[in-house]
Amino acid sequence: EAGVTQFPSHSVIEKGQTVTLRCDPISGHDNLYWYRRVMGKEIKFLLHFVKESKQDESGMPNNRFLAERTGGTYSTLKVQPAELEDSGVYFCASSQGVHYGYTFGSGTRLTVV
Amino acid sequence: EDQVTQSPEALRLQEGESSSLNCSYTVSGLRGLFWYRQDPGKGPEFLFTLYSAGEEKEKERLKATLTKKESFLHITAPKPEDSATYLCAVQVNNNNDMRFGAGTRLTVKP
Repeated sequence: EAGVTQFPSHSVIEKGQTVTLRCDPISGHDNLYWYRRVMGKEIKFLLHFVKESKQDESGMPNNRFLAERTGGTYSTLKVQPAELEDSGVYFCASSQGVHYGYTFGSGTRLTVV
Repeated sequence: EDQVTQSPEALRLQEGESSSLNCSYTVSGLRGLFWYRQDPGKGPEFLFTLYSAGEEKEKERLKATLTKKESFLHITAPKPEDSATYLCAVQVNNNNDMRFGAGTRLTVKP
């Protein structure tokens, strides 16, 4: 079974630019989550999709972040415009349901300079 | 506010030296407590889910236990390949997300 795939694995952009992160979940997993870890802090929740619908986006830091999951398959997370404090590792995870552990991707390390 | 605290922050063991990692939590209603292992440059890897006080789960050299206030991850006779960061996370009622602790970085020396 293929795991959760994220790309790019690394991205370095300048402040004010736009970056789009992509996540391909495990096939058949309706639940898709975005998390991020900023330097020195714990992993924090951003949002949760069930199929193509946003179930919970309470963790999104501000309106510079936009997540989509068209067709209920892969998801994208766009940051526009990027700020220095957006630097960190962005993880995507998918799950069959609440009683199953999440399968995480390897993350995208975003550096805003 | 829901909180998850892991201790110690870092732990260095000799191969074969058993120990325990702690995860204490203060949440409004626990739906489940998760343990993950994370290697450098990788995402967290699921280990266990615990749902109720008194529950225990085992996998190879690892055993996770749960009380009403904390969880322990016991490592018996660890090997160098057990070196990783171990993360604890809680899922609370009426919430779909997990709240993570900061992790314990375990190093096992041969």
